[in-house]
Amino acid sequence: EDQVTQSPEALRLQEGESSSLNCSYTVSGLRGLFWYRQDPGKGPEFLFTLYSAGEEKEKERLKATLTKKESFLHITAPKPEDSATYLCAVQAPNFGNEKLTFGTGTRLTIIP
Amino acid sequence: NAGVTQTPKFQVLKTGQSMTLQCAQDMNHEYMSWYRQDPGMGLRLIHYSVGAGITDQGEVPNGYNVSRSTTEDFPLRLLSAAPSQTSVYFCASSATNLGKLFFGSGTQLSVL
Repeated sequence: EDQVTQSPEALRLQEGESSSLNCSYTVSGLRGLFWYRQDPGKGPEFLFTLYSAGEEKEKERLKATLTKKESFLHITAPKPEDSATYLCAVQAPNFGNEKLTFGTGTRLTIIP
Repeated sequence: NAGVTQTPKFQVLKTGQSMTLQCAQDMNHEYMSWYRQDPGMGLRLIHYSVGAGITDQGEVPNGYNVSRSTTEDFPLRLLSAAPSQTSVYFCASSATNLGKLFFGSGTQLSVL
């Protein structure tokens, strides 16, 4: 059974204090790994797709990386508006969106 | 751009009542799906559709029905509400089968 574990559950950072969020996964092969951002009271918003180990994607202060067992979401010099819950999901090979497995998320709070 | 629109935003039901959660998208996406989000658990797939007239069950389909008569609309019906169906429900759509989902803003449902 595919599993996704995100850590930490919650993270509080001072504005400008860089850190990383972790997404560990167990899946038989990997078709894709996805990062989403979810603001309170809203639906998740797509951030990145990673397909193979060694791949990196960047968007503003966020950079996602992928290894064969985990993915990291690096946040550089975060601002209060980066506060949100970050979700990770994996997709097994030979399946479509019906086999996305989501983690429980990391709730990130950036303190001004 | 409206994207994915869900109504209502909030709903309170009594045990045994039925209701329909509405979902519409204006992006001409073939794939649409319904998820529920519960505290401490990842998003779980209820039902999905790969095109008009085609629906299938996800991970947690019991107690829910769906239909897809048009590309735009994908309503979720609760047949006889139970307290275990108290949750936040998200509708999502995608242009591909590769995990980039567009989510609605959610419906917070309480069953008393």
